[in-house]
Amino acid sequence: EVQLVESGGGLVQPGGSLRLSCAASGFTFSSYWMHWVRQAPGKGLVWVSRINNDGSSTSYADSVKGRFTISRDNAKNTLYLQMNSLRAEDTAVYYCARDATVTKYYFDYWGQGTLVTVSS
Amino acid sequence: SYVLTQPPSVSVAPGQTARITCGGNNIGSKSVHWYQQKPGQAPVLVVYDDSDRPSGIPERFSGSNSGNTATLTISRVEAGDEADYYCQVWDSSYVFGTGTKVTVL
Repeated sequence: EVQLVESGGGLVQPGGSLRLSCAASGFTFSSYWMHWVRQAPGKGLVWVSRINNDGSSTSYADSVKGRFTISRDNAKNTLYLQMNSLRAEDTAVYYCARDATVTKYYFDYWGQGTLVTVSS
Repeated sequence: SYVLTQPPSVSVAPGQTARITCGGNNIGSKSVHWYQQKPGQAPVLVVYDDSDRPSGIPERFSGSNSGNTATLTISRVEAGDEADYYCQVWDSSYVFGTGTKVTVL
C-alpha cells in the first residue's frame, strides 16, 4: 500500500524557515517524480514544486521560486521542502504527492498534509 | 497563465446525477484529471486522462472533455460523494481548477 506521511509543519514567524519532510513507503520511491502541493485555509489546491526521480531536476511555482528548495533522499525514501523567508501568504496545508507518470502530469497518491502557519 | 473555472457549488439529491464543469481555453486539447477532497482529508484521484478511473473508484464517476469544457459526472449520487472536486491540467505547469463543492441534499 502506498503511503506518504508529511511532518515538520508548525508555527513560524514571518521571515523564518521551516523544513518539511514526506516519508514514503509501499512503492519504489526512487522511480517516481514527487511534488509538493499546498492549500491555504478555505482555498483551493496550488502546485508548489516538483523533483524528478533522481533529484537532478527541480521546478517551482513563481510564488516560491528563490525561497523554497525541494530535495529528496532516495536511500531514506524521503522527500523534503526547505522553506525560507516565509510570508503570511505561505500559510497552508502542505501535501506531498506522487507523480503518476512522467508523461501524464497528474498526481495519483497524496499524503495527509502538514499545516504551516506563518504569523507573528 | 492558464485558468480553469469551476462552479463554486453544485447541489444534487441522492440517486440523481451531478455534473461538474471545468472551463478552460481549448481544454479539449489537454488531458484533464479530477480529484475529490472530503473535509479534513487529502485529495483523491477519481478520474485521469479525461475519462479513465483509477482502480477502486466506482463506475459512477465518469469524465468527458471537449471544446472549452471538461465535465465530471457522478451518477446515482450517494451521501458519501459530498466533497470538493478539483479539475487539473498541465499547461507548462500544474494548474488546478477553482474547485466545486458538491452538496447532497
